[in-house]
Amino acid sequence: AQSVTQLGSHVSVSEGALVLLRCNYSSSVPPYLFWYVQYPNQGLQLLLKYTSAATLVKGINGFEAEFKKSETSFHLTKPSAHMSDAAEYFCALEEKAGTALIFGKGTTLSVSS
Amino acid sequence: AAGVIQSPRHLIKEKRETATLKCYPIPRHDTVYWYQQGPGQDPQFLISFYEKMQSDKGSIPDRFSAQQFSDYHSELNMSSLELGDSALYFCASSRLDSNEQYFGPGTRLTVT
Repeated sequence: AQSVTQLGSHVSVSEGALVLLRCNYSSSVPPYLFWYVQYPNQGLQLLLKYTSAATLVKGINGFEAEFKKSETSFHLTKPSAHMSDAAEYFCALEEKAGTALIFGKGTTLSVSS
Repeated sequence: AAGVIQSPRHLIKEKRETATLKCYPIPRHDTVYWYQQGPGQDPQFLISFYEKMQSDKGSIPDRFSAQQFSDYHSELNMSSLELGDSALYFCASSRLDSNEQYFGPGTRLTVT
């Protein structure tokens, strides 16, 4: 069965520091992988997606993620954190187009000045 | 660009009452998904529709039902509401040939 594991329910960084949010997946077939961001009391916004075209994926707001098949990982990074990056981040997996997203438990990112 | 529309945005119901949530997908999107996000939880898939037919079913209680209409909008009907049904309910839409789901702002249901 497919699953998504996000390591670390809370991550705290200082403004300007590197952001690293970890995501590992389990799937019997090559999956599509996504990172979503959720601000308080708002919906889910797609940050970036992996669809097998390129292993390094660039998204919005300066975020990027690298797909590593050997490690079954899809970690999210941003070189320099901004206060506005504070939010909940979800890694998600889709086994094939048109099927349900399976989400990780989420990681709360806090950014301090 | 048009986004997914959900109504109402907030809903307060009492135990054992019924609720109907509506979702209007992005134009030309043929697939609708419903997810439930409890407090501090990750979104859980409930049910999806493609071309007005149920395409997949997740952890949707028997007390809930849903359908997609000819104009592609979808409704989630919830009966005999329980306190545990209090959650954010998201609708997402996509084109079947796309792997990208676009989420609406959600409906926050509070059951008292």
